[in-house]
Amino acid sequence: DAKTTQPPSMDCAEGRAANLPCNHSTISGNEYVYWYRQIHSQGPQYIIHGLKNNETNEMASLIITEDRKSSTLILPHATLRDTAVYYCIVNSGGSNYKLTFGKGTLLTVNP
Amino acid sequence: KAGVTQTPRYLIKTRGQQVTLSCSPISGHRSVSWYQQTPGQGLQFLFEYFSETQRNKGNFPGRFSGRQFSNSRSEMNVSTLELGDSALYLCASTGTRDSYGYTFGSGTRLTVV
Repeated sequence: DAKTTQPPSMDCAEGRAANLPCNHSTISGNEYVYWYRQIHSQGPQYIIHGLKNNETNEMASLIITEDRKSSTLILPHATLRDTAVYYCIVNSGGSNYKLTFGKGTLLTVNP
Repeated sequence: KAGVTQTPRYLIKTRGQQVTLSCSPISGHRSVSWYQQTPGQGLQFLFEYFSETQRNKGNFPGRFSGRQFSNSRSEMNVSTLELGDSALYLCASTGTRDSYGYTFGSGTRLTVV
């Protein structure tokens, strides 16, 4: 079973920031938080990952709480092309070599 | 650089037949994973290979098998196809560092009739 909890859907206005929450209260010390997204009928796309510190790249920012039990993915200026299912995954990488996907959050960006 | 390449993109097979899907990872990536995606079950892990060795396997029947070649290319095979095997099959590759993200291919859409 997935070790994360995400809202099933969210809406966002084009040009505004999209903030996608994720709860991972049972995360272990060596587990990273990964975010992927999947646009309809395509393969998932890696967005960002982090362990403890907040991270930012050209696509998004990842804010991880100090206790690491939750995180937020931020798309600073959402566009229509950001409409997708967003998956939050915790993974230690080293021991099981797999990603466990939950149901994710369907983000719909509206014009 | 080239992404993960999966062939074919679409496939229609009849119940009872077998099928082989192919995946070419990103150059330099030695880990290849396979996933099945269906509307009912979502994305489910099938298996992962590294340097021609299967390191992990998901909860699928023995009809699902895979292999990896010395050039890191991978194939998965499904024998005695069932209607429920209709799905999008996705391949992903990653580099050797554990914290790197996985890069997925566009998938093979298998329809069993």
